[in-house]
Amino acid sequence: QSALTQPASVSGSPGQSITISCTGTTSDFSSYNCVSWFQQHPGKAPKLMIYDVSNRPSGISDRFSGSKSGNTASLTISGLQAEDEADYYCNSYTRSTAPHYVFGTGTKVTVL
Amino acid sequence: EVQLVQSGAEVKKPGESLKISCKDSGYSLSNHWIGWVRQIPGKGLEWMGTIYLAGSDIMYSPSVQGQVTISVDKSVSTAYLHWSSLKASDTAMYFCASAVHGNCYFDHWGQGTLVTVSS
Repeated sequence: QSALTQPASVSGSPGQSITISCTGTTSDFSSYNCVSWFQQHPGKAPKLMIYDVSNRPSGISDRFSGSKSGNTASLTISGLQAEDEADYYCNSYTRSTAPHYVFGTGTKVTVL
Repeated sequence: EVQLVQSGAEVKKPGESLKISCKDSGYSLSNHWIGWVRQIPGKGLEWMGTIYLAGSDIMYSPSVQGQVTISVDKSVSTAYLHWSSLKASDTAMYFCASAVHGNCYFDHWGQGTLVTVSS
């Protein structure tokens, strides 16, 4: 199972919006809504930011939003803030004959 | 509230065995899956496998199948990741994470266990 493809880095100035893409290659990725996004600060555990493509867990700012079109999912951060500087990973779950999870390659977000 | 607490950092030699743990200190995780995720220093997240705490279902990533064993002790709401013979390439941070049965995302994470394998 190949990792999902993300850009290595994305940057933006405070207040701007940025979008991180996550591209899968399987029909399961494009057909189902099992895509989630995680934020990871250095030395910390990952934190769930988006689940089921576009849903935010309780306590997550509405500046974070998710979407999916075809085989590409996206995470958008609007009103970029200094604390948003972190690594971001997408993740998908495949309900095939060999169910499994796969993470994206990860994107470093830099706030300029 | 689910709160996953992992065992402490380990330093081992190649060829040694090791079992690390992940315990829910909140309430029973009987209706949850526990996944293990590896992160080599400076690298990305890699899913290793997931076990259903209320049953015996286990999923392994092909990249670790046969290299590790995932198990659970339901009586103490604890999941384990076990190596019978460590390699230097097993040096990494290992996270556990939980997913409610029926969901397809990990919503709670442990703090991580750093495993260092060096001669």
